[in-house]
Amino acid sequence: QKEVEQNSGPLSVPEGAIASLNCTYSDRGSQSFFWYRQYSGKSPELIMSIYSNGDKEDGRFTAQLNKASQYVSLLIRDSQPSDSATYLCAVGNTGNQFYFGTGTSLTVIP
Amino acid sequence: KAGVTQTPRYLIKTRGQQVTLSCSPISGHRSVSWYQQTPGQGLQFLFEYFSETQRNKGNFPGRFSGRQFSNSRSEMNVSTLELGDSALYLCASSSSGGITEAFFGQGTRLTVV
Repeated sequence: QKEVEQNSGPLSVPEGAIASLNCTYSDRGSQSFFWYRQYSGKSPELIMSIYSNGDKEDGRFTAQLNKASQYVSLLIRDSQPSDSATYLCAVGNTGNQFYFGTGTSLTVIP
Repeated sequence: KAGVTQTPRYLIKTRGQQVTLSCSPISGHRSVSWYQQTPGQGLQFLFEYFSETQRNKGNFPGRFSGRQFSNSRSEMNVSTLELGDSALYLCASSSSGGITEAFFGQGTRLTVV
C-alpha cells in the first residue's frame, strides 16, 4: 500500500510569516512530487512540482525534496490570507497515477 | 487555452441507478485520470487512460468503469449506485504518457439518495 502522510493541521500562521507544510511517502520508487492547493468547495490547483532532490523556488513558494528521507515539504513565505486553504501533497509513480495525502489545512491570520 | 471541463457539475441520483460523468481534457493532453474525493478518504485514484487505453486502475469495485475516446475525452460510469458513492469526482488532465503535471477540472458533485 503506497501511502502519503501529511499533518492534518490545522496550521495557523500570522500574515507575513512562513508557513511550513510537510509530507512523507512510503514508496521509494516514487518519481514525481506535487503540491496542490484546494480552496473549500473548489478543485485542487497545482502550485508546485518537483522531481529532483533539493529546493525549487517559484515566487513565494519553495518545495524541498529529500528522496533518501522520503520527505517533501512546501514553504510559503510572506503568507497572505488568500493562502488559507488545504494543501495536498501528491506523489507519482508509473504513468499518471498519483497518491494524495489527506491534506493540511492552513489558516493565515490577518 | 481552455482548461479541463467536467460535466455535469452536480448530480442527484437514487440508489441502484447508474450515472455517467464526462471529462474533456486540456487541448493536446492525452492522459486523463479520475479521482474520488470524500471528506473521510481524501482523494483516491480510480483509473487513468492514455490514448484510449486504461493504464492504471485503483482499488475500486467493478461498478466503476471508464473509457477514453479518440479525441481524448473520457467518461466514467458508475453502476448500481450506493449511498457511499456520494462524492466529488475529479478528472485530471496530463500532457504525455510519462509522469507529468496533472490539472484538475472543477469536478462533478454526485449525491446518491
